[in-house]
Amino acid sequence: NAGVTQTPKFQVLKTGQSMTLQCAQDMNHNSMYWYRQDPGMGLRLIYYSASEGTTDKGEVPNGYNVSRLNKREFSLRLESAAPSQTSVYFCASRSLGRGDGNQPQHFGDGTRLSIL
Amino acid sequence: RKEVEQDPGPFNVPEGATVAFNCTYSNSASQSFFWYRQDCRKEPKLLMSVYSSGNEDGRFTAQLNRASQYISLLIRDSKLSDSATYLCVVSRYSSASKIIFGSGTRLSIRP
Repeated sequence: NAGVTQTPKFQVLKTGQSMTLQCAQDMNHNSMYWYRQDPGMGLRLIYYSASEGTTDKGEVPNGYNVSRLNKREFSLRLESAAPSQTSVYFCASRSLGRGDGNQPQHFGDGTRLSIL
Repeated sequence: RKEVEQDPGPFNVPEGATVAFNCTYSNSASQSFFWYRQDCRKEPKLLMSVYSSGNEDGRFTAQLNRASQYISLLIRDSKLSDSATYLCVVSRYSSASKIIFGSGTRLSIRP
């Protein structure tokens, strides 16, 4: 049972570089999410995808783009990395639909990203 | 005012003690409630869902008070391994985005 898998687990970038964080889930969930968590702070929603084919901005979308490649995969892209994007990034998924109202999110184990 | 509020702590209690946290929410349309636990620099992990009638899982008991708009988590006979940050999560049915995390309550169990 892999659950939610994120790659890479660690990454160091230079300012201005681009990269894509990958997330895949094998639970047949329809909703997927990207969060960032800074030291001593709570989770902040960057983008989410309620279902395959849709994406929407969350609380802190600036500087990021996302792609819901298929039902399993939801990637997060930093086009031009900035030091302010140094953070731990978590992907999550959830089953959402009629009869699934009380389903919790399941999280990947995170990507630790440092921008120099 | 934050939509979900938690006392950040830290709560520092001796092993074997009973400890309780509350979490208040402001939106009466909230319908689903959860407690997660997060260890330092790890992902949040579901501890338990919170049902209207209250529910218990071993040493952990969760309660929901809709009238006063809060949920609670009680930990009995606390263990050193219970040291973590506990996140309160509130969401609404059929709304992908309306999942609100509290900032967490830090718990430290001392020997």
